[in-house]
Amino acid sequence: GQSLEQPSEVTAVEGAIVQINCTYQTSGFYGLSWYQQHDGGAPTFLSYNGLDGLEETGRFSSFLSRSDSYGYLLLQELQMKDSASYFCAPLNPGGYNKLIFGAGTRLAVHP
Amino acid sequence: DGGITQSPKYLFRKEGQNVTLSCEQNLNHDAMYWYRQDPGQGLRLIYYSQIVNDFQKGDIAEGYSVSREKKESFPLTVTSAQKNPTAFYLCASSVRSVEFGKPSNQPQHFGDGTRLSIL
Repeated sequence: GQSLEQPSEVTAVEGAIVQINCTYQTSGFYGLSWYQQHDGGAPTFLSYNGLDGLEETGRFSSFLSRSDSYGYLLLQELQMKDSASYFCAPLNPGGYNKLIFGAGTRLAVHP
Repeated sequence: DGGITQSPKYLFRKEGQNVTLSCEQNLNHDAMYWYRQDPGQGLRLIYYSQIVNDFQKGDIAEGYSVSREKKESFPLTVTSAQKNPTAFYLCASSVRSVEFGKPSNQPQHFGDGTRLSIL
């Protein structure tokens, strides 16, 4: 079967660093994407890890360990606008760019 | 500006009625997708298409139908067979894989969604 585990909610203060963990179990695995979704809005792409290690994009970094079926999203210098839901989405290895979305992590940033 | 346009933003369905949600993209993407999102939940894949005149069922295709007659358009019909259609529907597109059997790592671009409710 397939499963994704992320914390349901995370709370942090402005300027802090927060890490959102993701463990996955899928019938096949090609890479791990992260998406951000503000309430009522469309998901937007944040990062992709095809190989083990850390990918950095500005204040956001994402990490993947294939051997542990584990990844995380690291958000630094948190801002109020980072309050949103964050989804890790394993990429299915078939040829259809099929992403698997879990329930996501709701991040609340406080002053 | 390139992007994905979903319409309408809000839609109401009467019992026994079929309704069609529009999704148009001008990103020149081959692959398109339809997702359903229930409150506080993640996205569940309804249908996806990698190329014109081809589409595949996702995880929750029952009660839905699609067509892909043009590259730019991927309309979703919510039929009367879908007994619980109230949800937020999201359309997405991406660059498709050019290597057989391997996905592209290109991101999916999403429209702003359609909220469907039952009258």
